[in-house]
Amino acid sequence: DGGITQSPKYLFRKEGQNVTLSCEQNLNHDAMYWYRQDPGQGLRLIYYSQIVNDFQKGDIAEGYSVSREKKESFPLTVTSAQKNPTAFYLCASSISVAGSQETQYFGPGTRLLVL
Amino acid sequence: AQKVTQAQTEISVVEKEDVTLDCVYETRDTTYYLFWYKQPPSGELVFLIRRNSFDEQNEISGRYSWNFQKSTSSFNFTITASQVVDSAVYFCALSENNFNKFYFGSGTKLNVKP
Repeated sequence: DGGITQSPKYLFRKEGQNVTLSCEQNLNHDAMYWYRQDPGQGLRLIYYSQIVNDFQKGDIAEGYSVSREKKESFPLTVTSAQKNPTAFYLCASSISVAGSQETQYFGPGTRLLVL
Repeated sequence: AQKVTQAQTEISVVEKEDVTLDCVYETRDTTYYLFWYKQPPSGELVFLIRRNSFDEQNEISGRYSWNFQKSTSSFNFTITASQVVDSAVYFCALSENNFNKFYFGSGTKLNVKP
């Protein structure tokens, strides 16, 4: 089955710790995205990637980092610089970034909690 | 200013009632796309529909229908004969500027009671 997987489902972070959220897709999509969702709010874009070895900051990139070494994978690291990391994180992919017509498909999400 | 506004934070209906979720958007582009997603309690966003700015025909898919009106910059979503399984948060999104960045509304939580 084609789709997007995210792991873990729940993640706990201690103060000062970096944590990495996994996102894998087998849809053969070029573009991948990371969003943050806070309670009662819409999704905000953290980072996106158009192609392997390329990524761009979104609206709220501070305190986060990403890599795109493989087409299928787009891990997100929440660094200790992110002072309020508790949120629901969603990964998405689309065929491409160019053109406003592409549908983004989402993974099941990772809920990050701070201990 | 918000590019996508979903003014209804939460709606509660009784099963079998019809319900309309409102979405108002703002853009200066002539070419843009509008989307609706459903987010059930499990959290994953499920794609429901995509509509381009040149197609103002209403669309119906089973119990779901969408009313796109450029004159009022609205893209409303109606569920007919609602069911408990329709309980979820529904998001409207806009994509513009020939670039696949989505602007999401804040979502409308729909509670369908038996």
